[in-house]
Amino acid sequence: GAGVSQTPSNKVTEKGKYVELRCDPISGHTALYWYRQSLGQGPEFLIYFQGTGAADDSGLPNDRFFAVRPEGSVSTLKIQRTERGDSAVYLCASSPGTGLEGANVLTFGAGSRLTVL
Amino acid sequence: AQTVTQSQPEMSVQEAETVTLSCTYDTSENNYYLFWYKQPPSRQMILVIRQEAYKQQNATENRFSVNFQKAAKSFSLKISDSQLGDTAMYFCAFMKEYGNKLVFGAGTILRVKS
Repeated sequence: GAGVSQTPSNKVTEKGKYVELRCDPISGHTALYWYRQSLGQGPEFLIYFQGTGAADDSGLPNDRFFAVRPEGSVSTLKIQRTERGDSAVYLCASSPGTGLEGANVLTFGAGSRLTVL
Repeated sequence: AQTVTQSQPEMSVQEAETVTLSCTYDTSENNYYLFWYKQPPSRQMILVIRQEAYKQQNATENRFSVNFQKAAKSFSLKISDSQLGDTAMYFCAFMKEYGNKLVFGAGTILRVKS
């Protein structure tokens, strides 16, 4: 697509529920990133994919968080047993991939705002 | 670990005036990239300008320019001829040369007043 698309735009859930957030990157971008932005703060890195594999998942806060990218395009961020502290905007970004001009220039989506009641 | 500090939580500027947003960072790396991103209320992060640390020349993009001081680890953003559409949150960010993650500052809210 022309840009990075994220769905849903807003998600309200109850504590303890399971949530999936979807990211559709720019066509042809091999690198995909998830960031979490809490209210009033800058985004924090969660996970980075190069193709289908998670090349760096060091930012995932605990084992309730998991992300997949099975075909090297669309990615899903999965959060189990949600807690109120998970409330944040989850941003997805993509880039052309390593070794290429502009590889470190990330294009972001508009984010998914998650509210856990 | 790298850190990025934006010491101005909020700034205001009159339309058509010039404003400078501050950013400092801490790293032991010699080569890296620095970025300014703009985040309007729509939430989408938009790249404003990028600087390669090995380039001495300051980057410019139309009304936006940076003052990159490598020794001082300072990377300020100057916005000339401010426009109402520049109102947004601005984030300074750092990435290692062969890195894959951006480290962001806490952001500065910029309000352009008519």
